Amino acid sequence: DADVTQTPRNRITKTGKRIMLECSQTKGHDRMYWYRQDPGLGLRLIYYSFDVKDINKGEISDGYSVSRQAQAKFSLSLESAIPNQTALYFCATSEGQGPNYEQYFGPGTRLTVT
Amino acid sequence: AQSVTQPDIHITVSEGASLELRCNYSYGATPYLFWYVQSPGQGLQLLLKYFSGDTLVQGIKGFEAEFKRSQSSFNLRKPSVHWSDAAEYFCAVGNYNTDKLIFGTGTRLQVFP
Repeated sequence: DADVTQTPRNRITKTGKRIMLECSQTKGHDRMYWYRQDPGLGLRLIYYSFDVKDINKGEISDGYSVSRQAQAKFSLSLESAIPNQTALYFCATSEGQGPNYEQYFGPGTRLTVT
Repeated sequence: AQSVTQPDIHITVSEGASLELRCNYSYGATPYLFWYVQSPGQGLQLLLKYFSGDTLVQGIKGFEAEFKRSQSSFNLRKPSVHWSDAAEYFCAVGNYNTDKLIFGTGTRLQVFP
């Protein structure tokens, strides 16, 4: 079984709808991250969480919110989806801070907002 | 501010040929540098990383990268490419004081038989 899972894997939604993307991990890591990937822009950090009580904004947090329900679960919400939020979204986890601690990525959720 | 540049958007090589993917970074102190690979439909997988010591680092799948401070570069190399290496490759930079990784825009590798 995969260590970092994301649901759904694909989603098409309409402008204005609320949508939640979920991430679960079995690695026991405290740190979790949400990135979005756009063609030609690489990956950009949306939010990250050091533990259940610590959530931080990344470089592109506007229009998004997150919830860390448990150590193993980190959800990303789009309160009112817009077409420019169409992207590939990745969740990642890490055991700690610094280069000794690799970030492990989920398989991604492809979101299309029409 | 930290930044990463991958000048090549798309590279095509023949199977068995050598490969070099370029990565240039901007960072005031010693950076921590990473190469990730993203196979179609998959998440990112770490190939290798550098944070100190020997400037030539070995990674998985036969890849290596060399840190050159004077050129602010961390180029990824492989002596003989396999068809299964076709994927998108991302260079990233980080530092000890933050969890944040700054990713480059990626290089898509296509391998012809």
